[in-house]
Amino acid sequence: NAGVTQTPKFRVLKTGQSMTLLCAQDMNHEYMYWYRQDPGMGLRLIHYSVGEGTTAKGEVPDGYNVSRLKKQNFLLGLESAAPSQTSVYFCASSYLPGQGAQNEQFFGPGTRLTVL
Amino acid sequence: GENVEQHPSTLSVQEGDSAVIKCTYSDSASNYFPWYKQELGKRPQLIIDIRSNVGEKKDQRIAVTLNKTAKHFSLHITETQPEDSAVYFCAASKRGGILPFSNTGKLIFGQGTTLQVKP
Repeated sequence: NAGVTQTPKFRVLKTGQSMTLLCAQDMNHEYMYWYRQDPGMGLRLIHYSVGEGTTAKGEVPDGYNVSRLKKQNFLLGLESAAPSQTSVYFCASSYLPGQGAQNEQFFGPGTRLTVL
Repeated sequence: GENVEQHPSTLSVQEGDSAVIKCTYSDSASNYFPWYKQELGKRPQLIIDIRSNVGEKKDQRIAVTLNKTAKHFSLHITETQPEDSAVYFCAASKRGGILPFSNTGKLIFGQGTTLQVKP
């Protein structure tokens, strides 16, 4: 049981390049989330999904797109990377919030992205 | 919009002392308040959470208190140890609703507190 995994762990891009971050979970969770973490700003929600085939915008969605074609995978895309997108990206997943004690969001190990 | 303010941003204590981190939230409909611990270079991990129908919850050396009227909640760590050194994040969320998008589980995080426990 690997939990939540993210690929890649590190990446350096040049301005204008594109890339896709992959998040995978093997816990059969319905809900998945993408956050970015910047110093002094906590974790900010980029996009989220409440089930296979669904996506929705979070607090800071501009410049990112997502897809949830399979329940276990949640992809985050940067079409044209900008230096402002330099950050650590975390994926998380959870069961349907509110179902008994199963509220916890489980986080992946993170992807450190630098855009030059 | 929804907002969570967390204080202090840094906290340094001697081993064995207590540490208190405070958060305030803006959305009175928030009803679930987790705390996450993030060690250097690691992922955030849930350490304790509280629902709005409870005023206090304790788990060994950590406790969380909630004041719904004032819209603030606090993390208390007693008998601190060097391994408690980490960044702590509070968060707030709204749970409940029938349709999936009214029960998104979205967490609004505070800015984080870096706790240093000196031996």
